[in-house]
Amino acid sequence: QVQLKESGPGLVQPSETLSLTCTVSGFSLTSYSVSWVRQPSGKGPEWMGRMWYDGDTAYNSALKSRLSISRDTSKNQVFLKMNSLQTDDTGTYYCTRDDNNYFDYWGQGVMVTVSS
Amino acid sequence: DIQMTQSPPVLSASVGDRVTLSCKASQNINKNLDWYQQKHGEAPKLLIYYTNNLQTGIPSRFSGSGSGTDYTLTISSLQPEDVATYYCYQYNSGYTFGAGTKLELK
Repeated sequence: QVQLKESGPGLVQPSETLSLTCTVSGFSLTSYSVSWVRQPSGKGPEWMGRMWYDGDTAYNSALKSRLSISRDTSKNQVFLKMNSLQTDDTGTYYCTRDDNNYFDYWGQGVMVTVSS
Repeated sequence: DIQMTQSPPVLSASVGDRVTLSCKASQNINKNLDWYQQKHGEAPKLLIYYTNNLQTGIPSRFSGSGSGTDYTLTISSLQPEDVATYYCYQYNSGYTFGAGTKLELK
């Protein structure tokens, strides 16, 4: 069955870089895109960016200067790196299977706190 | 950027009620809109894609409609397990979620 699982540090220092990994199973990264979505506590989700099935990427314009998404298809993994973190980057980060602009499967999410 | 405004922010309803949640876009989004349900402590779950298409496994009491800038999610007969926050999401130009409607039981 389709599964996605996020992993990464729960605590990041301000101005540091966040690195998250999404490990997928039950589908191929060369057949489906994967998006990253984050959600501050008590607020609506925010689409961050996408790794297209063909290896191309797309980013939220508000985050583009700080964000990088890559993948390793041999390991079924998609990576997110975001630099210059601030306290308002605190929230839950999800990876999702992105089937032509709808997110049909989600990981459980990883809570990231930006604090010194 | 397209802004998505959901109303009401909080809705209280009784079991069996017909419930309507609204989502208004700041410009025409050509039906490029999905609806997600998020229960407390869980990831969002896809309910409706491209305005009115029911995702596999979602109960038929959920339905979506709309066009242009105005979209609606309807629950025909509210069940206790429908207590959640509901988000609309547009992908016509950029990608934007609404702030959500929290659905509570009266």
